[in-house]
Amino acid sequence: DTEVTQTPKHLVMGMTNKKSLKCEQHMGHRAMYWYKQKAKKPPELMFVYSYEKLSINESVPSRFSPECPNSSLLNLHLHALQPEDSALYLCASSPYPGQGGTGELFFGEGSRLTVL
Amino acid sequence: GESVGLHLPTLSVQEGDNSIINCAYSNSASDYFIWYKQESGKGPQFIIDIRSNMDKRQGQRVTVLLNKTVKHLSLQIAATQPGDSAVYFCAENHNQGGKLIFGQGTELSVKP
Repeated sequence: DTEVTQTPKHLVMGMTNKKSLKCEQHMGHRAMYWYKQKAKKPPELMFVYSYEKLSINESVPSRFSPECPNSSLLNLHLHALQPEDSALYLCASSPYPGQGGTGELFFGEGSRLTVL
Repeated sequence: GESVGLHLPTLSVQEGDNSIINCAYSNSASDYFIWYKQESGKGPQFIIDIRSNMDKRQGQRVTVLLNKTVKHLSLQIAATQPGDSAVYFCAENHNQGGKLIFGQGTELSVKP
């Protein structure tokens, strides 16, 4: 069983809705990530948080807004999405290199988002 | 741009045979490589990793080989089982704040 928990598992929203994806880990990891994955494609990095601070934003549109309230939680706020944003959104965590980590990412099961 | 890619999008093998999944990477500065397995409807699951100062690493039924000269990575699965059916991704760590870049993936199908 994954130690990274994502909710909800499935989400259907309209283009005018505001929703949030949530991610939680209790492994003491200080780096957390959001990836987007389309069908039959590799995960694409969106955001990286290190020590609760945003360290990498891969030029993601502002309709995606990440938030890291504390070291265990990561949110992705969604607003005014487009149908092409429909995808599997994966959260991951890792021991930050400064903690002697290997760089391995631990993934959650993902949140399947459908934008109508 | 820099990327990690795989040679074959699909691979079909007979149960019990050995499987070899290949990956080419372009960033010679990458120092750490990981193979992930992703089953349908699930998140990627760590299989095995290797650092750039090694050329081979073995796990349970899996072996990763790294050839830095030609920037090639491979995953060997011994005695492939139906439960091995999944998409396999190689990934390289640029060691830039933990930025992990994934290759295109190979879908492995195991025939009984």
